[in-house]
Amino acid sequence: DAGITQSPRHKVTETGTPVTLRCHQTENHRYMYWYRQDPGHGLRLIHYSYGVKDTDKGEVSDGYSVSRSKTEDFLLTLESATSSQTSVYFCATFGQGMSSGANVLTFGAGSRLTVL
Amino acid sequence: AQSVTQLDSHVSVSEGTPVLLRCNYSSSYSPSLFWYVQHPNKGLQLLLKYTSAATLVKGINGFEAEFKKSETSFHLTKPSAHMSDAAEYFCVVSRISNQAGTALIFGKGTTLSVSS
Repeated sequence: DAGITQSPRHKVTETGTPVTLRCHQTENHRYMYWYRQDPGHGLRLIHYSYGVKDTDKGEVSDGYSVSRSKTEDFLLTLESATSSQTSVYFCATFGQGMSSGANVLTFGAGSRLTVL
Repeated sequence: AQSVTQLDSHVSVSEGTPVLLRCNYSSSYSPSLFWYVQHPNKGLQLLLKYTSAATLVKGINGFEAEFKKSETSFHLTKPSAHMSDAAEYFCVVSRISNQAGTALIFGKGTTLSVSS
């Protein structure tokens, strides 16, 4: 997980409140991603970014928005949280791996969100 | 269309015995295939990847996987399980060879339990 920091790591909120999750990277990777992980579903892509201010939707983007104002930060916002958005959220970057030197997808440690 | 099926949701082995985690894929193109591991409360870590070079791929921690085109399989194996191998394992197929996160399709995961 070195080089990718997610915050907060845990959050409990109420239905209808806005929530922002932050992903910070120190690897200077161009590509960044937000996934959600739910039991029985594996990981599903929410949104991704291919550069500063360049973002696009993934397969489960409804109810989520993102912003990337600088290379190192990628924010995921739930405008009005719902119970169906209770999940573990993972940020990832795509670029040269620290050990292999090849391009790899590297994940943060995750943010666990509970919406009551 | 690409898809990936992990045939077992849960595998239990004893320490010192072989590990076999099964993965079948469907792809219209020559796929890139990956195995990721996730330890509890951690992000995903790349174990190994296949990108059309050698069909037998060696990864970290003694794991390896064999690409069998005729069987459309990419099973993960390890000769002798350790307690530290207990984790969730994801088989992943990429629509294109550069592994950009937008093209990754995750299996639903296999939980490996290792008993002493």
